[in-house]
Amino acid sequence: QKEVEQNSGPLSVPEGAIASLNCTYSDRGSQSFFWYRQYSGKSPELIMSIYSNGDKEDGRFTAQLNKASQYVSLLIRDSQPSDSATYLCAVNRILTGGGNKLTFGTGTQLKVEL
Amino acid sequence: DTGVSQDPRHKITKRGQNVTFRCDPISEHNRLYWYRQTLGQGPEFLTYFQNEAQLEKSRLLSDRFSAERPKGSFSTLEIQRTEQGDSAMYLCASSKGDRANTGELFFGEGSRLTVL
Repeated sequence: QKEVEQNSGPLSVPEGAIASLNCTYSDRGSQSFFWYRQYSGKSPELIMSIYSNGDKEDGRFTAQLNKASQYVSLLIRDSQPSDSATYLCAVNRILTGGGNKLTFGTGTQLKVEL
Repeated sequence: DTGVSQDPRHKITKRGQNVTFRCDPISEHNRLYWYRQTLGQGPEFLTYFQNEAQLEKSRLLSDRFSAERPKGSFSTLEIQRTEQGDSAMYLCASSKGDRANTGELFFGEGSRLTVL
């Protein structure tokens, strides 16, 4: 079982629709969770972080966390063509000295169609 | 620009050559990380520094790989005797080592290595 699993997609949604991206993780000790957006050929860009069960909203983005089910999701409302990218789910483990080791999924490719 | 910067952005080398990448983190960040990303995969953790101390290394980091952060500021990642399997994007990230410890990492643009 992979530590962080995502559906690779592509997930295609029409412009203006809600895109729903899902992620499951295996380490119950994980404490913080992140969504990164990565455009082709570019580096990952942090878009959402979530630390406790429930929903966290930031603009058009909502992250949802359910630790009992080991499940994280990202909703993108009013999807725009500029949202077309690969979305990476990452879970955090605290390292020696307090550093952070992020384990990433393989990413879900999102395509927003006109 | 106050983000994480990496150099060079692209490197093409022949198998067996040595390559070195440099990373300059965000100035107030004392934690620095190296990750590697291959096509179709998420980034994989390689190593982590707190100030100048290298505190953790992944088993992915073979003996041919060495990373340093001599003065707790910039870092270098050297790959000796490169192999075609080393072809990847090498990503540097930094974070602020404060009490909040949010775990948020900020990535540079990466150094893409192609080994022929």
